[in-house]
Amino acid sequence: GESVGLHLPTLSVQEGDNSIINCAYSNSASDYFIWYKQESGKGPQFIIDIRSNMDKRQGQRVTVLLNKTVKHLSLQIAATQPGDSAVYFCAGHLAAGNKLTFGGGTRVLVKP
Amino acid sequence: SAVISQKPSRDICQRGTSLTIQCQVDSQVTMMFWYRQQPGQSLTLIATANQGSEATYESGFVIDKFPISRPNLTFSTLTVSNMSPEDSSIYLCSVGGGAKNTGELFFGEGSRLTVL
Repeated sequence: GESVGLHLPTLSVQEGDNSIINCAYSNSASDYFIWYKQESGKGPQFIIDIRSNMDKRQGQRVTVLLNKTVKHLSLQIAATQPGDSAVYFCAGHLAAGNKLTFGGGTRVLVKP
Repeated sequence: SAVISQKPSRDICQRGTSLTIQCQVDSQVTMMFWYRQQPGQSLTLIATANQGSEATYESGFVIDKFPISRPNLTFSTLTVSNMSPEDSSIYLCSVGGGAKNTGELFFGEGSRLTVL
């Protein structure tokens, strides 16, 4: 079945630096991927998504890269701010069943 | 985006009891899902709540333990039955139907259950 996992469980970043969060997936049938941000005590919040037929998508201060050859996904956060401190999850969507499968999560800690 | 309200936001429960979590959405949605997030872990899909029919459960989850109701397109409940400490988790309601064609899910704030 689908599995989505992350390389780094915790990432400490200096304020102002760029952050890169990585994610590997196993099921090439995923038709799109989503990155979520979860702050303490809150539900996950959508950040950005990317369709499987795309390599790159940019949002406000965030960029998602998809490498289908090695089944790898990354989220880049530019000029990381204290408000970016949270746990980040990637999720893969399967059209069959219209379900999202979540990866293990990476905690980002922004140091002032 | 949909606004999702969950009740209770948190509760402390005794072993062997059952608790029902409510999820109310401010608009009609086709897809509603229930997720579990165990302490320090990721989200695991429990089931898809189907309006007017029985929920569709994922592997490892059964109706007797997690009965779900979906009486209409804006409301659903999840019951955690005969609770044990292993059921201590955050339970999250989510809905589909994002305006974009990628079908993003919106999440409620979750219901944090602690079972003693």
